[in-house]
Amino acid sequence: AQTVTQSQPEMSVQEAETVTLSCTYDTSESNYYLFWYKQPPSRQMILVIRQEAYKQQNATENRFSVNFQKAAKSFSLKISDSQLGDTAMYFCAFMKATSGSRLTFGEGTQLTVNP
Amino acid sequence: DAGVTQSPTHLIKTRGQQVTLRCSPKSGHDTVSWYQQALGQGPQFIFQYYEEEERQRGNFPDRFSGHQFPNYSSELNVNALLLGDSALYLCASSWAGTGIYEQYFGPGTRLTVT
Repeated sequence: AQTVTQSQPEMSVQEAETVTLSCTYDTSESNYYLFWYKQPPSRQMILVIRQEAYKQQNATENRFSVNFQKAAKSFSLKISDSQLGDTAMYFCAFMKATSGSRLTFGEGTQLTVNP
Repeated sequence: DAGVTQSPTHLIKTRGQQVTLRCSPKSGHDTVSWYQQALGQGPQFIFQYYEEEERQRGNFPDRFSGHQFPNYSSELNVNALLLGDSALYLCASSWAGTGIYEQYFGPGTRLTVT
């Protein structure tokens, strides 16, 4: 079974600054995907970024980037130039790369961006 | 292009009652997964439907059942409701053919059991 751990229940950052959210996971699988999802107060779960385990290059989507350390089973999310709209709960999630796979989520990190 | 839709938005039920939640997947998607998200926690996988059959199931009792229709929409049924079933129920859709398995979520149904 896979487990995902987010050790930071809450974080805050000033607008325009950079913040890093941590995530570690445990799996015996060799081929999998990792995701960061954002859940604002509206409750809609929104995909922020995806990383394929077979890719060594870290994924980047505009102001969002990840630091994927496969050997350490670590998958952190860096948000640059933080904006007020980034305030949300952020979930790290794991998925095996086999057909019909499920997402396994961490407990979440509540990020607050202060003006 | 319509995303994943869920109905109803909110629901209040009494212990022992039964409830049905509905989900329409994103256009072009054929797989529907259901998750339960208790307050302050991450979503927990309930089950997944593909080709009108339950393909995978999480650690949930048989009180939780589902169905997928030929148009790929899905229902989640919960019988004999318990107070602990109060949660946000999320539906996610994906397309088995992509090989990437990204799941797109609906806005959820907030179920309160009193």
